[in-house]
Amino acid sequence: GESVGLHLPTLSVQEGDNSIINCAYSNSASDYFIWYKQESGKGPQFIIDIRSNMDKRQGQRVTVLLNKTVKHLSLQIAATQPGDSAVYFCAVGSGSARQLTFGSGTQLTVLP
Amino acid sequence: EAGVTQFPSHSVIEKGQTVTLRCDPISGHDNLYWYRRVMGKEIKFLLHFVKESKQDESGMPNNRFLAERTGGTYSTLKVQPAELEDSGVYFCASSQSGTRSEQYFGPGTRLTVT
Repeated sequence: GESVGLHLPTLSVQEGDNSIINCAYSNSASDYFIWYKQESGKGPQFIIDIRSNMDKRQGQRVTVLLNKTVKHLSLQIAATQPGDSAVYFCAVGSGSARQLTFGSGTQLTVLP
Repeated sequence: EAGVTQFPSHSVIEKGQTVTLRCDPISGHDNLYWYRRVMGKEIKFLLHFVKESKQDESGMPNNRFLAERTGGTYSTLKVQPAELEDSGVYFCASSQSGTRSEQYFGPGTRLTVT
């Protein structure tokens, strides 16, 4: 089965700096990758997704990079703001199965 | 448009009791999922409904857990009898039909079994 791991459980960055959160997955058949943000007391909120036929996708202040060779996924947040403080989860899906396999989460703290 | 709602937000029960969690998906979403996060670990898939049918229940931990989605609208997840290890946050998510569509998560129900 699939396993998903995050490189760092916590990450602290200065306000205005860029943040990079990393994730590794195990199943080479995985073809759908999502980043979620979870704030305290709320459920995971979709940030951005990418499919296996792409290696980069950009949103508003966020970029997801996919390296299928080494089965690695990253989320880059530009000009990190206090409102970006949250737990970030990567999630992976494969084939026709709709279930997502989540990583354990990285707590991002933005320092003033 | 209302998002996914879950009830209750918190539940504290004793070991051996029964608890029923409810999820109301976004209107029109055929797909409904249950996940749970135990003690700061990763969020784990429990099961997936397409309308009223169980499409995938491979993540259900044991037969103390029973999920239903009568009429293909809201869903309930019953734990009977509850054990200490069932404590955690139970999330519901829904998505539209289609090959890959975004899953919208509810705020979760925090279950504490004492």
